Amino acid sequence: QQQVKQSPQSLIVQKGGISIINCAYENTAFDYFPWYQQFPGKGPALLIAIRPDVSEKKEGRFTISFNKSAKQFSLHIMDSQPGDSATYFCAANNEKLTFGTGTRLTIIP
Amino acid sequence: NAGVTQTPKFRILKIGQSMTLQCTQDMNHNYMYWYRQDPGMGLKLIYYSVGAGITDKGEVPNGYNVSRSTTEDFPLRLELAAPSQTSVYFCASSSSDRAVNTEAFFGQGTRLTVV
Repeated sequence: QQQVKQSPQSLIVQKGGISIINCAYENTAFDYFPWYQQFPGKGPALLIAIRPDVSEKKEGRFTISFNKSAKQFSLHIMDSQPGDSATYFCAANNEKLTFGTGTRLTIIP
Repeated sequence: NAGVTQTPKFRILKIGQSMTLQCTQDMNHNYMYWYRQDPGMGLKLIYYSVGAGITDKGEVPNGYNVSRSTTEDFPLRLELAAPSQTSVYFCASSSSDRAVNTEAFFGQGTRLTVV
């Protein structure tokens, strides 16, 4: 039972471009939507998060767009850099965190 | 400032052996979680706990057991290890004050191989 669906599975973006990762959820009880970044050999670390009462949150080059009626949210990375190459997970929370399947992002020069 | 500490970092088990993965957090978090991450896959919730003495099953609990006798510790027990349990295991914790802060902090992971 996949409660949070994430796409694409992998993504290659040129340096300076915009990386976009999408997620959709089913459970309307979710009330917190974080994005985690994971580098090889490390545990996931919180990147940015949003609550469903706002439609957008921006922190530096990272933006979450949230569409409550469509039950979708997305991560946008502006001016993508090689250091952004990592696996990104969306998640949704209503006491326990449920993760998407992850997106392996590669930024090429 | 340790955060979430997992031990061991690596372990090789033979089929049928048992072991306990240790997890300790020093942030006084009530919520703790165990996830497994298979190669190229997302994180699947094994068990979680909302406080000392309270545990509940996640998405993939079969073959595992947990206990939560203190706020700080949340060990994961593997009984009769099977090759299907080869994975990277992550422990995480978060505050129960979900109105303020629900960030989950992860340990560095335990890479387990069952042969």
